[in-house]
Amino acid sequence: GAVVSQHPSWVICKSGTSVKIECRSLDFQATTMFWYRQFPKQSLMLMATSNEGSKATYEQGVEKDKFLINHASLTLSTLTVTSAHPEDSSFYICSASQDSGANVLTFGAGSRLTVL
Amino acid sequence: AQSVTQPDIHITVSEGASLELRCNYSYGATPYLFWYVQSPGQGLQLLLKYFSGDTLVQGIKGFEAEFKRSQSSFNLRKPSVHWSDAAEYFCAVGAAGGYNKLIFGAGTRLAVHP
Repeated sequence: GAVVSQHPSWVICKSGTSVKIECRSLDFQATTMFWYRQFPKQSLMLMATSNEGSKATYEQGVEKDKFLINHASLTLSTLTVTSAHPEDSSFYICSASQDSGANVLTFGAGSRLTVL
Repeated sequence: AQSVTQPDIHITVSEGASLELRCNYSYGATPYLFWYVQSPGQGLQLLLKYFSGDTLVQGIKGFEAEFKRSQSSFNLRKPSVHWSDAAEYFCAVGAAGGYNKLIFGAGTRLAVHP
């Protein structure tokens, strides 16, 4: 079945540094990928929709300059948390879709970011 | 705006007992509804989905859910819970702008007593 891989699965960084998280579709081409943020014991909040070859669409309240998303190929989307601060500490999850139709999303296992 | 409500934050059941997890949604048109399960260290796994047709949907791992338009509900059920079912369960609705753009409920954490 479809597999989505996220890397790293966890990362610790110092405040002020930038962190890149990768989301790869391993056995299918993903025209669309989604990035979610999940706070402890809370639900997934959609941050942005990433479309291959075009700019990401950000949800209201999500800072596009803070959370840079690049979807340069049909199998890779990256989320870069720029100038990270402790409040950016969270669990980031990506999902991928093979097409824009009524398809099933495949989720990555998530990346836990801790900013010291 | 679309929204999903899962009224129960925590549920504890005994192994072998039946289970029902509640989900209510708010959506202007015919919704696309999903139930996902999240286990530690693993990605969200789709249990079942409803797009149209039969309102009683069968999923994996013995789960089923029933779409009730009049109640705006999509409750998840399982007749006999196994210890391995302990996890976090999320109900989601497909939002405007694409079926794959999902809005999630807050989740229900299921604990199973032996």
